[in-house]
Amino acid sequence: GAGVSQSPSNKVTEKGKDVELRCDPISGHTALYWYRQRLGQGLEFLIYFQGNSAPDKSGLPSDRFSAERTGESVSTLTIQRTQQEDSAVYLCASSFSSATNEKLFFGSGTQLSVL
Amino acid sequence: DQQVKQNSPSLSVQEGRISILNCDYTNSMFDYFLWYKKYPAEGPTFLISISSIKDKNEDGRFTVFLNKSAKHLSLHIVPSQPGDSAVYFCAAVGSGGGADGLTFGKGTHLIIQP
Repeated sequence: GAGVSQSPSNKVTEKGKDVELRCDPISGHTALYWYRQRLGQGLEFLIYFQGNSAPDKSGLPSDRFSAERTGESVSTLTIQRTQQEDSAVYLCASSFSSATNEKLFFGSGTQLSVL
Repeated sequence: DQQVKQNSPSLSVQEGRISILNCDYTNSMFDYFLWYKKYPAEGPTFLISISSIKDKNEDGRFTVFLNKSAKHLSLHIVPSQPGDSAVYFCAAVGSGGGADGLTFGKGTHLIIQP
């Protein structure tokens, strides 16, 4: 597709359940990022993938969060045993490279609501 | 501790006037700055950027000013148009590369009044 695609666009789940969020980056983009935006907050970095290198997981808030990426394509962000504080918009972005001045292209996000 | 601060959660400006959005940062290692614009239910989109070797970058109605000594940057939109109503995020990255992505501010909601 032409842009970054995320699914689902909305997810409502019960506390304690696991959820999986999906991101399809722009074709040819080697770098992929996951961010989270909680209500009234800025974008919070979660995890970064660059090519086949080991991901930078420094932003993951707890071990309930994990992410995978197959090569330079689809990525999934998994949240286990969801908590109410996990409610947020989860944004995926990709870029052609990880160079400092490389623009990020964002998807529309997944609105996660944990009841 | 917030490294990128946008102290105005919202700003209301009349159509045709100048909109000035401010951003302060604390990390002296930041050397590249970007502004992203976000409409409701959409992801942020890149607007304009500036490198620390410059103090001004202009693109049409949008100009970004950087004051390194004050660790302050601002985005000027002139003239403001109704379609400019959105949330604007200031972001910064250090010379170490984009390994941990950008550091974003909390955003400023710009409202352009007719």
